[in-house]
Amino acid sequence: TQLLEQSPQFLSIQEGENLTVYCNSSSVFSSLQWYRQEPGEGPVLLVTVVTGGEVKKLKRLTFQFGDARKDSSLHITAAQPGDTGLYLCAGAAHSGSARQLTFGSGTQLTVLP
Amino acid sequence: ETGVTQTPRHLVMGMTNKKSLKCEQHLGHNAMYWYKQSAKKPLELMFVYSLEERVENNSVPSRFSPECPNSSHLFLHLHTLQPEDSALYLCASSQDWAGGQETQYFGPGTRLLVL
Repeated sequence: TQLLEQSPQFLSIQEGENLTVYCNSSSVFSSLQWYRQEPGEGPVLLVTVVTGGEVKKLKRLTFQFGDARKDSSLHITAAQPGDTGLYLCAGAAHSGSARQLTFGSGTQLTVLP
Repeated sequence: ETGVTQTPRHLVMGMTNKKSLKCEQHLGHNAMYWYKQSAKKPLELMFVYSLEERVENNSVPSRFSPECPNSSHLFLHLHTLQPEDSALYLCASSQDWAGGQETQYFGPGTRLLVL
């Protein structure tokens, strides 16, 4: 069974601060996706990383896939209250089908004004 | 409407009731999924349908019965549920193709409370 561990589980910071969320596994994934989920809504895809060592930027968000494709990180620069939400990482099985997505338990981020 | 829609958004039912959750996708996708999201637990994949054929059934109790009449609609029929089945039930869809990496688009979920 593939498991994804996310840390920290909860994070509360002040507006303008930087933060990093981690997603770790002992398994290799063919790709890894990051989602954000707001209360009362389903998860919304932020990014997909595919290549080991890949770095993708989405405005103030920077996503990195580990060289061995077992872990990933999400870094937010100058966090805003609008960044508040549940951040989920999900790994696609090495067989290549995203239907086998394994989700982490999530990081609940609160950005205080 | 666009995207993935789910009805009802909230549902309260007794353990002897029978109810159904509905999901509809307007994205032209050919794969649909049911997930269960409980507090402090990762999303649990329940069922996967590809081209209206069930391809995954992750040891889900028989009191949950899925139905996929066509590629745009997915149902989850519920009967004799237990209080521990209370959770957010999420539907998702994707364009299934060999090689993977397809993005899954989620609906807003149905918040279920079993009394």
